[in-house]
Amino acid sequence: NAGVTQTPKFQVLKTGQSMTLQCAQDMNHNSMYWYRQDPGMGLRLIYYSASEGTTDKGEVPNGYNVSRLNKREFSLRLESAAPSQTSVYFCASMQLGGYTFGSGTRLTVV
Amino acid sequence: KNEVEQSPQNLTAQEGEFITINCSYSVGISALHWLQQHPGGGIVSLFMLSSGKKKHGRLIATINIQEKHSSLHITASHPRDSAVYICAVRLDDMRFGAGTRLTVKP
Repeated sequence: NAGVTQTPKFQVLKTGQSMTLQCAQDMNHNSMYWYRQDPGMGLRLIYYSASEGTTDKGEVPNGYNVSRLNKREFSLRLESAAPSQTSVYFCASMQLGGYTFGSGTRLTVV
Repeated sequence: KNEVEQSPQNLTAQEGEFITINCSYSVGISALHWLQQHPGGGIVSLFMLSSGKKKHGRLIATINIQEKHSSLHITASHPRDSAVYICAVRLDDMRFGAGTRLTVKP
């Protein structure tokens, strides 16, 4: 099925560990996004990629890095996880104003 | 102050009621989105609008650019409409409201 695929769906990390969240879309969209969602707050943009080969910081980029590997894939890396990064992470892609979201990754850092 | 304010934060309705969720924003925008997030967490795009009104089934979205305000209406509400509804505005990137949690009781 066409859409945005995120992996993993759940992850528990210890403080200081690293991990990469994977995101892939098969709709040939140019723009891809990583958001985090915390209780009582709206989705906040971490990083985005307007096109293959470009990435830009969003509202809350500290502690994260991204890679736009190709047009399909946009990964988010936590180099040294901190409890403040406990959140639900969503990847999304957009074309012509329409958004498609992945199903989310629930990350807990202990 | 959040650039996107939604009201109410929580809303409980009886099946069949007419629902209105409001969104106000404080900056000039190029478009406004309404999203739906079900209890399982998945987010679905409902509408994108830059002016006027759009309708899809029992859902209607309106926007008043001059007043910087948008509303999402649900007619003949049903328990399956229970979800969090999120307003988002497009600036250089997207800014999201905190969401309105709707519960429709049978």
